[in-house]
Amino acid sequence: GDSVTQMEGPVTLSEEAFLTINCTYTATGYPSLFWYVQYPGEGLQLLLKATKADDKGSNKGFEATYRKETTSFHLEKGSVQVSDSAVYFCALPLQGAQKLVFGQGTRLTINP
Amino acid sequence: DTEVTQTPKHLVMGMTNKKSLKCEQHMGHRAMYWYKQKAKKPPELMFVYSYEKLSINESVPSRFSPECPNSSLLNLHLHALQPEDSALYLCASSQRGQASLYNEQFFGPGTRLTVL
Repeated sequence: GDSVTQMEGPVTLSEEAFLTINCTYTATGYPSLFWYVQYPGEGLQLLLKATKADDKGSNKGFEATYRKETTSFHLEKGSVQVSDSAVYFCALPLQGAQKLVFGQGTRLTINP
Repeated sequence: DTEVTQTPKHLVMGMTNKKSLKCEQHMGHRAMYWYKQKAKKPPELMFVYSYEKLSINESVPSRFSPECPNSSLLNLHLHALQPEDSALYLCASSQRGQASLYNEQFFGPGTRLTVL
């Protein structure tokens, strides 16, 4: 069945470092792909999305490109800030259903 | 108004209590969802309402009872819960009632539930 695999965390970086969080997926067809972020003590927020192959989603300095060839949707940011500390979830909608399939989440901590 | 609101923010209840969680959205969305999230885990889908009708129940125990009074409101009634039901309960909504590849979900801040 459809699934999402995320790199295991936690990830700890210094401020202004480059960030990559890997996400690969298994799916029938070409679903939309999402990155959600969950700040401490809060619900999930949609960070960015891509709806077809080669699309690049971007928001708040984060980017992710929908790569059909490698079935990947890696999240990147060129210069992280302390305020980016959160848990990041990669997700895709299950084909033919109203479900979101989530990766396990990656906890990111940015030190000043 | 582009947000999903949930009340209460925190709830502590005993195993014999009856309580309710509330969720509201005013974005005109036609699908609403309940999720349960345990610490350090992704959200797990519990229920989906589509056009105010229950369309998905992920084999949730009957001590959780959802209700959708109208297209903007979603409730989760709780009765005789167990300590292992302690979790963050998230509500979400999406624009389309039917399944769609573009059906992004908007989440509320959640209710932190503790069952003693």
